[in-house]
Amino acid sequence: EAAVTQSPRSKVAVTGGKVTLSCHQTNNHDYMYWYRQDTGHGLRLIHYSYVADSTEKGDIPDGYKASRPSQENFSLILELASLSQTAVYFCASSDATGTNSDYTFGSGTRLLVI
Amino acid sequence: KTQVEQSPQSLVVRQGENCVLQCNYSVTPDNHLRWFKQDTGKGLVSLTVLVHENDKTSNGRYSATLDKDAKHSTLHITATLLDDTATYICVVGDRGSALGRLHFGAGTQLIVIP
Repeated sequence: EAAVTQSPRSKVAVTGGKVTLSCHQTNNHDYMYWYRQDTGHGLRLIHYSYVADSTEKGDIPDGYKASRPSQENFSLILELASLSQTAVYFCASSDATGTNSDYTFGSGTRLLVI
Repeated sequence: KTQVEQSPQSLVVRQGENCVLQCNYSVTPDNHLRWFKQDTGKGLVSLTVLVHENDKTSNGRYSATLDKDAKHSTLHITATLLDDTATYICVVGDRGSALGRLHFGAGTQLIVIP
């Protein structure tokens, strides 16, 4: 079954530390995305990628880097974690971005920065 | 500025009752609109996609409408079940091309009680 798997499921990080969130998809999708979800707000796009070895900035990229080493894997990197980056992070993949696109979301990574 | 507003913020219904969730948006252009279901601690699962002016879709006990002139959509859930307890998220896609972005509402939290 096609899926998007995120790891870890949850993490506690220290302010100023480095955090890497991983995402793996078995959908054979070209597009992959990283979103953050804050309580009471809609998901916001951090970074996305439409091909391996290339990433694009989303709407809120500051403080985050992304890496797409292969079609299946997409990582989100917080070089210097800050308190404001406490949130739930979702990875998603899609075969396209239009009306007939098939979007699959991971179960999320709950990050707490202390 | 929030471009996708959902109401109510939360809703409690008894099992077997019907309910209606609202979505108003200001996204332009509005290529398509999606409804997702998010169970607690899980990723988003697509329920339906609406594309055209005055579109209506049906997926089992879920049905949805779209009024592009009014920039408004509704999600109807008929004969609710306990498993319908979740957050329902309205998402507007701003174009059908590879540059298309998804704009997420904050969701309506539905609780179904026995």
